[in-house]
Amino acid sequence: GENVEQHPSTLSVQEGDSAVIKCTYSDSASNYFPWYKQELGKRPQLIIDIRSNVGEKKDQRIAVTLNKTAKHFSLHITETQPEDSAVYFCAASMAAAGNKLTFGGGTRVLVKP
Amino acid sequence: GAVVSQHPSRVICKSGTSVKIECRSLDFQATTMFWYRQFPKQSLMLMATSNEGSKATYEQGVEKDKFLINHASLTLSTLTVTSAHPEDSSFYICSARGFGTSNYGYTFGSGTRLTVV
Repeated sequence: GENVEQHPSTLSVQEGDSAVIKCTYSDSASNYFPWYKQELGKRPQLIIDIRSNVGEKKDQRIAVTLNKTAKHFSLHITETQPEDSAVYFCAASMAAAGNKLTFGGGTRVLVKP
Repeated sequence: GAVVSQHPSRVICKSGTSVKIECRSLDFQATTMFWYRQFPKQSLMLMATSNEGSKATYEQGVEKDKFLINHASLTLSTLTVTSAHPEDSSFYICSARGFGTSNYGYTFGSGTRLTVV
């Protein structure tokens, strides 16, 4: 089955700096890659997603890039703010596997004021 | 937008008893429901996938007789943890896809914190 690796596991940045989280996936058939932000005890919230026919997508301070050849995708957060502090998860899914989401291990992001 | 209501949000039960968790899609038809378990400071691990009207498909290592999943209607799926033990204490969360959501939309419930004492 699909395996998603996520790095780093923790990330501490100064407010205003950028944060980058990277994920790799194992199955080239995966075609949908969402990123979620989860605060303690809450449900994951979709912050951005990308499909396999697109190489890059941006939404204000957040961007995601996808390299299908290398099977990796990255989340970029610019101008970080304290409220960006949370745990971020990448995930991958494919229709052939019933569209189930396979999650990465998560990255705990701390933005220091 | 699409909403999934999950109840209860927190439950404490005695070891050996059973607990039922409900997920209802309020404004769309959930053809597929995914059930996840999340231990503290860990990722979401898929337990099973259920399609409305069909038996659930369980991930490797998940006991189907312990974690009973029912998805009898397009708006309701339930997870019953039978004969719960302290090691079953975890955060359980559902995620639904179906008609009325975007092509790639996964709508998460708010989660259930289960504590078995």
